[in-house]
Amino acid sequence: AQKITQTQPGMFVQEKEAVTLDCTYDTSDPSYGLFWYKQPSSGEMIFLIYQGSYDQQNATEGRYSLNFQKARKSANLVISASQLGDSAMYFCAMREATYSSASKIIFGSGTRLSIRP
Amino acid sequence: DAGVTQSPTHLIKTRGQQVTLRCSPKSGHDTVSWYQQALGQGPQFIFQYYEEEERQRGNFPDRFSGHQFPNYSSELNVNALLLGDSALYLCASSLWDTTQKSSYNEQFFGPGTRLTVL
Repeated sequence: AQKITQTQPGMFVQEKEAVTLDCTYDTSDPSYGLFWYKQPSSGEMIFLIYQGSYDQQNATEGRYSLNFQKARKSANLVISASQLGDSAMYFCAMREATYSSASKIIFGSGTRLSIRP
Repeated sequence: DAGVTQSPTHLIKTRGQQVTLRCSPKSGHDTVSWYQQALGQGPQFIFQYYEEEERQRGNFPDRFSGHQFPNYSSELNVNALLLGDSALYLCASSLWDTTQKSSYNEQFFGPGTRLTVL
């Protein structure tokens, strides 16, 4: 069964520092996708970055990068030069590729990131 | 280009009542998924609708039902509300994955409906 594990319930980071949010996953399917979402206090889930299981290079989107270590089944999110607006809940999530077009995303329990000025 | 919209924003009900939540997908999207997010937890998949049919369902009881309309909008209905149904209900829209085997199918989320059951 699919599973996403985020072991850091909360983190405090000084503004402008880099931060790494941990994520490990479990799946038996060789083809899958990994996502990171940001959820501010307003509640909306904001897509940050995607990594496919067959992608050779780590995904990057602006200040966000995904450190993908397939053998270890980890997909850590790295935020460079953190900003006050980065304070939010961050969720790691996974979608398995199947021969059915129906898709669901499995989420981890989240990490609450707080940026100190 | 309007994103995913949900209504109402907040809702308060009492145990045993029934509730209907509504979702309009992002323009151009044809698939709607619903998620329940209890306080302090990650979202959990309820079900997904495409072509007005439920295509996949998570581990939720039959009290949770849905509908999709020809314009792709969707409703989530919950009967016989329990205190444990209090949560943020998120709707996400996407395009049906016609490749039949793809792990990338970005879902755009709405702002959610916060349901409180007293």
